[in-house]
Amino acid sequence: QVQVQESGPGLVKPSETLSLTCTVSSGSISSYYWSWIRQPPGKGLEWVGCIYDSGRTNYNPSLKSRVTILADTSRNQISLKLSSVTAADTAVYYCARGIPVAYLDYWGQGTLVTVSS
Amino acid sequence: EIVLTQSPDFQSVTPKEKVTITCRASQSIGSSLHWYQQKPDQSPKLLIKYASQSISGVPSRFSGSGSGTDFTLTINSLEAEDAAAYYCHQSSSFPLTFGGGTKVEIK
Repeated sequence: QVQVQESGPGLVKPSETLSLTCTVSSGSISSYYWSWIRQPPGKGLEWVGCIYDSGRTNYNPSLKSRVTILADTSRNQISLKLSSVTAADTAVYYCARGIPVAYLDYWGQGTLVTVSS
Repeated sequence: EIVLTQSPDFQSVTPKEKVTITCRASQSIGSSLHWYQQKPDQSPKLLIKYASQSISGVPSRFSGSGSGTDFTLTINSLEAEDAAAYYCHQSSSFPLTFGGGTKVEIK
């Protein structure tokens, strides 16, 4: 059974960089695409971006200038960095496995990141 | 960007009733449409893939239909445990997008 776990600081100051890690247990991260999705409190889901094929990335155009997603196959981890954050970036951030390129079949439990001084 | 429009936004339903949620895409996406259920304080769970294909472990009362631009998620004989938000999601082209969600409340 694939397990996905997000981790990182729960509080980030405005203008700083949000950094999260997704650790995958039971199975290699290769051969799948891995997406980050976020959900502001009380709102819907927004796709942030994904990584696949050992390093190819695709980002939401609305965030593209601020987002970087990387994969570390030796650690079976995917990372997310979002720079110059504002209060609008406050959300639960999910990491999810995707069948290339289709549905998302395994999701982490999500981690709440609050942007506040 | 492909926009997915769900309706209704909210539905209050009596147990055993039938629930129908629609998702309309701004352009044709074939069958690249998937449905998720999100219960309060939980992560989304895959319900239906490729518009109508069932997922192992998901109750048979959940079904999907449609292709092109119009899709439907049906819950036959709603149960109390089905209280949740439901989202459609397209994987036809980047950026991947989600519908705005439909909240189903049990009366």
